Parts: sequence; structure tokens; C-alpha cells
Amino acid sequence: KAGVTQTPRYLIKTRGQQVTLSCSPISGHRSVSWYQQTPGQGLQFLFEYFSETQRNKGNFPGRFSGRQFSNSRSEMNVSTLELGDSALYLCASSSLTSTDTQYFGPGTRLTVL
Amino acid sequence: GQQLNQSPQSMFIQEGEDVSMNCTSSSIFNTWLWYKQDPGEGPVLLIALYKAGELTSNGRLTAQFGITRKDSFLNISASIPSDVGIYFCAGLLGNAGNMLTFGGGTRLMVKP
Repeated sequence: KAGVTQTPRYLIKTRGQQVTLSCSPISGHRSVSWYQQTPGQGLQFLFEYFSETQRNKGNFPGRFSGRQFSNSRSEMNVSTLELGDSALYLCASSSLTSTDTQYFGPGTRLTVL
Repeated sequence: GQQLNQSPQSMFIQEGEDVSMNCTSSSIFNTWLWYKQDPGEGPVLLIALYKAGELTSNGRLTAQFGITRKDSFLNISASIPSDVGIYFCAGLLGNAGNMLTFGGGTRLMVKP
């Protein structure tokens, strides 16, 4: 089975721009979660989508949003980028049950200048 | 954001040594997961624990889910150079979707 894929792997943007990141989960997985990883804050939960619905949301401003498509692929969007948004954005997928383990993609490294 | 207390933050290992790290929380979790992350990559799942008291092995790795459900440890026996990396514990409550809470990580480095 192919793993979780994320595109692009690297991205450079300037302050004020917006960005869209994409995640394709493992085949058959319907839950997709997004995490932000920074040296200062570590790994923090952004949101989770299940069957095209946002099921959980972390403590991030409204500039961070996401969606999930009927094929379980997910996108996250960050508008009005700030320098502090520079981070590794990780996507994880899991199958139906809540206690299932999550498998991570390689991440998208976003640099905001 | 909330994080689990993971220790040690970093440690040097010499090939052949055993390594221990642990995570504690003020909250109860229903699932504990241990991941390893190499530079520039996403975390890779090492061990998943689903039941309080459970002891699970994966090769040279052994992890336990604490009886109180508020802690977990990971042991690596007979370490080898490729064990170098950052290890993360993560807790999952499980009753509200798949929101993982992570520890701050333990960085394993090789002794010069």
C-alpha cells in the first residue's frame, strides 16, 4: 500500500500571501489530520477531517482552514501568511475507528519570508 | 499548546547501550503511540499501545502503557547507529476523533 503523500514538499512564500497544501491519505483511510511542527512549539494539532466533515479543530486562528474531498484527499489553506507560520506541516491518515493509529506523510516545509 | 512531558530531552548513546525514555501526562489517554522522526521526514510509527498495562515489543524496541493511563515508556535495547533521531510519544483520547497530543521529543545522538 502506498503511504501518505503530501505536495508540495517545499514552499517559499512571502508575508500576506496565502498557501494551499495537499495530502493524499493511505488508500482506504477516511480520516485525515493536520499538524504543525515548529522548533519552539513542537507538534501541534491543527484539525481533523472525516468523511468530508471537520471533526476536530486545534487552537489555531481562523487563517488556517481545511477541507476534505469525497476521495478522502485533503487540503489545508493558510491565508495572510505571517513569519511565524514557517513550519513543517504534517498530514496523517487513519482508518475508521477513533483508536486507530495515525500514519504520517513526509510533510510540507513552508518558509515565509 | 498542550504537550506531554517527555524525558530526557536528549541523550548520547554508544553502540550497544540500552536506552530508556518516558512520557507523562496530567490527563488520561486511551492510546499511546511512539514515533521516530528523521531529519526532513514525517514521524514513523514504531509502537502502538491500546490497553493500560500493555507491554509491546517491536524488535529491539519495547514500550509500555502505564497502569494509570497517564504515562508510557519506550526502551531500545542494544542501540545501533541508525537509532539516532528524534523519538516522540503521543497520546490519543479516542472519544473525540483522532487528535494526538505529542511530547516534546527525545533526541538520540551518537557519542563521539
